[in-house]
Amino acid sequence: DIQMTQSPASLSASLGETVTIECRATKDIYSNLAWYQQKPGNSPQLLIYDTNNLTDGVPSRFSGSGSGTQYSLKINSLQSEDVASYFCQQYNNYPWTFGGGTKLELK
Amino acid sequence: EIQLQESGPGLVKPSQSLSLTCSVTGYTITSGYDWSWIRKFPGNKMEWMGYISYSGNTNYNPSLKSRISITRDTSKNQFFLQLNSVTTEDTATYYCARYYGYFDYWGQGVMVTVSS
Repeated sequence: DIQMTQSPASLSASLGETVTIECRATKDIYSNLAWYQQKPGNSPQLLIYDTNNLTDGVPSRFSGSGSGTQYSLKINSLQSEDVASYFCQQYNNYPWTFGGGTKLELK
Repeated sequence: EIQLQESGPGLVKPSQSLSLTCSVTGYTITSGYDWSWIRKFPGNKMEWMGYISYSGNTNYNPSLKSRISITRDTSKNQFFLQLNSVTTEDTATYYCARYYGYFDYWGQGVMVTVSS
C-alpha cells in the first residue's frame, strides 16, 4: 500500500496568515491526489483534486501543488471559516489511502 | 442535488456483523461512478473500505477482503456494507461516498461502536 505521511498533525495560525500542509507518498502517485476539508460535526468535503484543481465553490485562497511523491495544500490569508481538519488522499494505486490529517486552529 | 445518507445500528457486539445502508438521492447509482464505503477511526485515521461500481462490480481493500461485502438494491437506489466478525477495532464513523478517483460526494456519516 502507498503510505501518505501528512504534516504537520496540528497547526495553529493567525487570521490572515498563510499556511501550508504537506503530504508525502511512499511512491510516485503521478498527481493523483485530492485534499479534503472536514469541519467538526460534518463530513469531509472535497477541496482539490488532481493535485491542483479546485472544486466548484472553493475559495481561491486555497491552492494545491506538487508532483511525484511530494504535495502541498496552501491557504492564503487564513479565514475563521478555514478552521477544520484537512486530509490528503491518493488515488493512483489501490487501495486508495489517506494522510493522517492536519487539525488547523486559530491562534 | 446529489445526497447520500447512511443508516444502521450505532452499536454492534463483538464477533457480530455490522450492516449499514447508504441511500442515494439526486443520482441513479447505475448511471455511473463507483460507490464507496470509508471509515474514520477515533484518532482521525481514515480507511477506504471498498466500492461497488455502477455496473455492480466490487473492489475491496485487501485489509478487509475476508470480512467485507458491498451489495446494492438498484430499485431503491441504495448500496450496503456488511462487515463480519467485528472487533472493538472496527469502532469508527462510517461514511458512504461517490467515487470518481476522488470522493466528491459524502454522506454525513454514522458512528458505529463495537462493544459488548
